[in-house]
Amino acid sequence: GAGVSQSPRYKVAKRGQDVALRCDPISGHVSLFWYQQALGQGPEFLTYFQNEAQLDKSGLPSDRFFAERPEGSVSTLKIQRTQQEDSAVYLCASSYGTGGYEQYFGPGTRLTVT
Amino acid sequence: QQQVKQSPQSLIVQKGGISIINCAYENTAFDYFPWYQQFPGKGPALLIAIRPDVSEKKEGRFTISFNKSAKQFSLHIMDSQPGDSATYFCAASSGAGSYQLTFGKGTKLSVIP
Repeated sequence: GAGVSQSPRYKVAKRGQDVALRCDPISGHVSLFWYQQALGQGPEFLTYFQNEAQLDKSGLPSDRFFAERPEGSVSTLKIQRTQQEDSAVYLCASSYGTGGYEQYFGPGTRLTVT
Repeated sequence: QQQVKQSPQSLIVQKGGISIINCAYENTAFDYFPWYQQFPGKGPALLIAIRPDVSEKKEGRFTISFNKSAKQFSLHIMDSQPGDSATYFCAASSGAGSYQLTFGKGTKLSVIP
């Protein structure tokens, strides 16, 4: 079956622009996670949804970062007024149950802020 | 505070050899320990995972060894192949929290013919 998909795969933004990154989880997966992966590092947690409820947003680095999953399927990560330090790969993962075990990742969106 | 420490940072193994990557954790609430494989330009792919109630789990050429008292776990890749060349990440999560994965910094494995 289809895996997690993300779009766009690459995004170049000028500093100060707003960006929106999309995640389509595996169909039927209840839990959805966003991670940020800096070059040469492991992914770092940003936020977690169970269906449409955002249960944990403790990893969001600033109030410029906002995520939503209004209908419990597709999710969007929005970054306002992008800064150079926001340059990274943004990964989305989904898992079947209400727990986060067996998280399956998408290919990521590489964001470059110039 | 780095909650999951991974070593080595890089590893070179001959084809047919055994690759061993080690991880140590600090948070005793962790109860799920997966390993992910990542190729350049791709997302991490779940390889194998273990819970703390068992000391070893094997799937094909991949084995996780788990030592709860030492708070350590390791990945063994038997009969390593050039196609195994990738970056490997250990991770841990807690069912008592939001199930977020805490990752190690990764090990870049190169398997040479």
